[in-house]
Order: sequence, then structure tokens, then C-alpha cells
Amino acid sequence: QKEVEQDPGPLSVPEGAIVSLNCTYSNSAFQYFMWYRQYSRKGPELLMYTYSSGNKEDGRFTAQVDKSSKYISLFIRDSQPSDSATYLCAMSGNRDDKIIFGKGTRLHILP
Amino acid sequence: EAQVTQNPRYLITVTGKKLTVTCSQNMNHEYMSWYRQDPGLGLRQIYYSMNVEVTDKGDVPEGYKVSRKEKRNFPLILESPSPNQTSLYFCASTKYPPSSRIRGGSYNEQFFGPGTRLTVL
Repeated sequence: QKEVEQDPGPLSVPEGAIVSLNCTYSNSAFQYFMWYRQYSRKGPELLMYTYSSGNKEDGRFTAQVDKSSKYISLFIRDSQPSDSATYLCAMSGNRDDKIIFGKGTRLHILP
Repeated sequence: EAQVTQNPRYLITVTGKKLTVTCSQNMNHEYMSWYRQDPGLGLRQIYYSMNVEVTDKGDVPEGYKVSRKEKRNFPLILESPSPNQTSLYFCASTKYPPSSRIRGGSYNEQFFGPGTRLTVL
């Protein structure tokens, strides 16, 4: 089983819809959870950074961590065509600062 | 302007010819790291550095070396490149290492460089 699993998509949703992106993981030592957005031919951009379980909201983005289920989510409200990109989840543990990434989900927001 | 610069942006080389990809940040960040991105494999961490003279292996360190003699610079060295190191490489600079738990772990800032596309023939 891979440490971090993420559906590669592509995921296509109409403009204005709520988008739900998810990752599962197997390593219970992960404590720090991150979401990145990557546009084509660009470097990743850190969107959300959270520690342990719970929710974090930033504008139209909400990150949710459920450590008991080893499941994290990123919700995008009122999705826009400019949200079309690849979204990557990433995680890190307490004992070292190595960061493990999911493979990314390609998202298309249809006008 | 906060930025991470990488050079070169594109490089075509031959097997066995040593090369260095430079990375520099102007934000006084502690944590820097190198990643490679390959189709179907995603982004994988090669090496990271917590601070000057402190480096550690990421997920895929084989065939790579790094050094951190100054806080702002974190070069990636391929002593004897091979074709399986053909990839897109990103350097990243992060204000705090994940384990530092600044503000309860709910805050950090990170910037990626523009990427270096390396082809090893």
C-alpha cells in the first residue's frame, strides 16, 4: 500500500459547484497536512497547511483532516475556471521533516 | 519580492558528466528542499535541509548530493547523471520545518522555484 493515495482524475465540474478533493494515507505518524495547487508548467503553490485533525478555512478553500480515518479533504466553494489545475496533497510526521506527496488530481472547472 | 530562483531552467547533458543545479531564496527561510516530478509518479522529495550544514535524505536521494553552506543557497549536485534522472526538478523554500509547530502548526509559508527540466542522454 502506498503511503499517500490520491485519485489522479481528471475531475470535471461546472462553474459554481463545490469541489471535493481527497487523499488517504497509511502512516499514522503523519501530523502535518498540506494542499498545493499546480498550474501547467508552473511550480506548486502552497494553499493550505494544517496540523493534526480538524478543519481550516481560507476564503473559498476548506481543508479537513480526519486522522481516525486517515483521510484528508480539500473543498473549494463557488469554483471558478481559474481553479482548473492539478491539486496535490502532502504530509509530514513528527519525527522527521520529510514530506510525502500524493500524485495529484487534475481538476477542470467548466464555464 | 519574495522568490526562489533556480538555474539553469533547461539542461541537456550526457551520462556521467557532473552537473549542479543552483537554488537561491531571499526570504531567510530555514527549510529548503529539492523535488523531482515525473509523469505518473508525482512529486517526490530528494533532499531537505533544516538549516545551514543540516541536510537529510528525502524519499529518493540516490544519485544526488546537496550542500547548505549558506542559508540562502541549496545546490543540487548530480555527480554522475544517468538517463533515469531525466526529470523536472523543483527547489522549495519554507519558512518553518513542519516539526517546528509554529502557531500550533497552523501556519507556514512556502515558495517553489520555477523548475529545471533536465534531460540526461
